[in-house]
Amino acid sequence: AAGVIQSPRHLIKEKRETATLKCYPIPRHDTVYWYQQGPGQDPQFLISFYEKMQSDKGSIPDRFSAQQFSDYHSELNMSSLELGDSALYFCASSPSRRPFYNEQFFGPGTRLTVL
Amino acid sequence: SQQGEEDPQALSIQEGENATMNCSYKTSINNLQWYRQNSGRGLVHLILIRSNEREKHSGRLRVTLDTSKKSSSLLITASRAADTASYFCATLMEYGNKLVFGAGTILRVKS
Repeated sequence: AAGVIQSPRHLIKEKRETATLKCYPIPRHDTVYWYQQGPGQDPQFLISFYEKMQSDKGSIPDRFSAQQFSDYHSELNMSSLELGDSALYFCASSPSRRPFYNEQFFGPGTRLTVL
Repeated sequence: SQQGEEDPQALSIQEGENATMNCSYKTSINNLQWYRQNSGRGLVHLILIRSNEREKHSGRLRVTLDTSKKSSSLLITASRAADTASYFCATLMEYGNKLVFGAGTILRVKS
């Protein structure tokens, strides 16, 4: 079965650079979520989109922005990178806006290292 | 953690033994989900229990939910070395669509 695809899988950037992470949800899933997991930490919700509109916002820094495109894929744009942005970034997708009966399916993550 | 605590933080058992992990949360929820993560890798969904359910089984997994105590437990029976991983509970709030994760339990199963 198709899973959530994230690219790139690994990314190394310098401080103050920008990074773009991509997420391709499972086919027919219309909701996408982004989570950040720092070293030894639990995943923290950043932002979500439903039908290309932002549906919920968590602890996402102002330096980050995200969007969902017409084909439902999503991109997380990160600017002015800081050392503390080094983390594993997960994308998840689900097939409805209120996933009461559905779990969120997670991608393999993008490991971002900021030097 | 934003939502609550998981205990124990770490658990080491012998292969064949049962492992029990607990999770507590703070607010009303829609459902609670358990995930497994192998050393810095992706999150694998294990099981979802809805707020109106009290117990659920899936293979060697048994999950209970007590909404009056705002707590859940995950039992893995007849553990295997391959069960070694971090286990997270995550709650879906009553309003909203984001998952809030607990701090996780590191399980080590010795063969």
